[in-house]
Amino acid sequence: AQTVTQSQPEMSVQEAETVTLSCTYDTSESNYYLFWYKQPPSRQMILVIRQEAYKQQNATENRFSVNFQKAAKSFSLKISDSQLGDTAMYFCAFMNSNSGYALNFGKGTSLLVTP
Amino acid sequence: DTGVSQDPRHKITKRGQNVTFRCDPISEHNRLYWYRQTLGQGPEFLTYFQNEAQLEKSRLLSDRFSAERPKGSFSTLEIQRTEQGDSAMYLCASLGTEETQYFGPGTRLLVL
Repeated sequence: AQTVTQSQPEMSVQEAETVTLSCTYDTSESNYYLFWYKQPPSRQMILVIRQEAYKQQNATENRFSVNFQKAAKSFSLKISDSQLGDTAMYFCAFMNSNSGYALNFGKGTSLLVTP
Repeated sequence: DTGVSQDPRHKITKRGQNVTFRCDPISEHNRLYWYRQTLGQGPEFLTYFQNEAQLEKSRLLSDRFSAERPKGSFSTLEIQRTEQGDSAMYLCASLGTEETQYFGPGTRLLVL
């Protein structure tokens, strides 16, 4: 079974600064997808960024980028120019076809952006 | 709004009662997923459907949990004889292009 580990339960960053959230996973599969989802307080889960394992190029979405290290099974999220609206729980998740494309989530990192 | 919707958003029930939650996926999405999220944890996969077929149900937490998607559109998740440990957020998601899941707002259940 695949496991997803987020080792930072809580993090804090000042507005306009950069922060990196860590995620490691364990799988024997070669084809899979990795995601970062954001869950603001009392609001619904939304996709931040996705990465396909067969693509070596790291995904980027505006201020969000990932550092995907397939051999190390590491998938960190970098948030640049942090904004107050980035305050949320961030979940790393793994998916592949063997599980019917169901998501396997880590426990999450609570990010607080301070003025 | 063409996103995933869930109803009700909140449910308070007494232990031993049955509850049913509804999920309406994005209309063109064939796959629908149910997750449970307890406080301070990531969502935990429960079951999923491809159209009306339930393709995985071994991850349902007990035989008190059941799900249906009779016409391949909306889905329901039922919990019978609720227990206090069932208190959680129940999330629904549908699978779109590029293997991306889109989540609804969730149903928060409190069992007294």
